Amino acid sequence: AQTVTQSQPEMSVQEAETVTLSCTYDTSENNYYLFWYKQPPSRQMILVIRQEAYKQQNATENRFSVNFQKAAKSFSLKISDSQLGDTAMYFCAFTSNWLGNEKLTFGTGTRLTIIP
Amino acid sequence: DSGVTQTPKHLITATGQRVTLRCSPRSGDLSVYWYQQSLDQGLQFLIQYYNGEERAKGNILERFSAQQFPDLHSELNLSSLELGDSALYFCASSTLPKDEQYFGPGTRLTVT
Repeated sequence: AQTVTQSQPEMSVQEAETVTLSCTYDTSENNYYLFWYKQPPSRQMILVIRQEAYKQQNATENRFSVNFQKAAKSFSLKISDSQLGDTAMYFCAFTSNWLGNEKLTFGTGTRLTIIP
Repeated sequence: DSGVTQTPKHLITATGQRVTLRCSPRSGDLSVYWYQQSLDQGLQFLIQYYNGEERAKGNILERFSAQQFPDLHSELNLSSLELGDSALYFCASSTLPKDEQYFGPGTRLTVT
């Protein structure tokens, strides 16, 4: 079974600074998908970024980028020029490429606070 | 706004009761997923439907059941409710099973 580990329960950073959230996962598969979801105080789950394991290039979405290290099974999220609206829980998630196994497996989350 | 709608937003009920949570996926999405978020268990996958058929089951209790209707909306039925069933229940949808999942706003269930 796949597992996702987020070892940083809480982090805080000054506004406009850069912060990196860590995520490691365990799988025996060679092809799969990784995601970061954001859950602000409204509790809505918002997709931030997606990475396909067969792509070597790291995904980027505006101020959000990932550092995907397949051999190390590491998938960190970097937030540049952090903004107050980035304050949220961030969940790392994994999904298999196997048919019928498309569920998301989530980590326990990192609570990020952006300090004004 | 993800385009996924869930009703009701909040539900308060007593132990032993039965409730139905409803989800309408994004337009064109064929796959629907149900997840439970609780303080002690985190985010857990419950069940997935694709184009009306059950596709995968996760940690779903026997007291819980779900279905996806021909118009692709889905319902999650929770019966014989216990205090431990209090949680935030999310529905997510994707166009095809391999695509990224978009979440609804959730239904907060409180069992008293």
